[in-house]
Amino acid sequence: DQQVKQNSPSLSVQEGRISILNCDYTNSMFDYFLWYKKYPAEGPTFLISISSIKDKNEDGRFTVFLNKSAKHLSLHIVPSQPGDSAVYFCAAMDASGGGADGLTFGKGTHLIIQP
Amino acid sequence: DAMVIQNPRYQVTQFGKPVTLSCSQTLNHNVMYWYQQKSSQAPKLLFHYYDKDFNNEADTPDNFQSRRPNTSFCFLDIRSPGLGDAAMYLCATGLAGGPITGELFFGEGSRLTVL
Repeated sequence: DQQVKQNSPSLSVQEGRISILNCDYTNSMFDYFLWYKKYPAEGPTFLISISSIKDKNEDGRFTVFLNKSAKHLSLHIVPSQPGDSAVYFCAAMDASGGGADGLTFGKGTHLIIQP
Repeated sequence: DAMVIQNPRYQVTQFGKPVTLSCSQTLNHNVMYWYQQKSSQAPKLLFHYYDKDFNNEADTPDNFQSRRPNTSFCFLDIRSPGLGDAAMYLCATGLAGGPITGELFFGEGSRLTVL
């Protein structure tokens, strides 16, 4: 039973436009949400996070939005650049265990930025 | 640079022949995780060590074991690999007990092929 769902396996966006990646979760205990980026033959790298006490977090071209009532978060990348082409994983954590219990991941969305 | 290093990057084994994957870290993090990722699937947490305390996920098969002889190293042992164990194995580290960020640091992964 998937607790973190990324329903779009792939997304194609033109360079310079906005990329929006979506993620849904089912576990109400999740209180930290993260996005990871993965290039082929490399490990995932942290991109941006948000805690459940916020509804928006911004870092340069990347913004994450959290809608707790809908159990939905999204990652916005604007403007999209060719180097953004990668697989993006949504991940969530229940921090009630002190932050050691690890992350639950979605299946990922392959973002392709077209020139 | 501080990092998480996994060896080997690629491992080929025969059905039923034990294999060990290693992970080392220079981040001095107190938590080390092992994830299994099959093609187009979400990374799945197998177990983690919080300092010397081993924490097994409920659905991790007994075929998978782990050792953490010291802070820097963690090993994944697959006692009798089956064809279904072919996957990418990702090691990650995290820091627990302080301000919670949820961020994990991943190695580049070890890809296991079972013949």
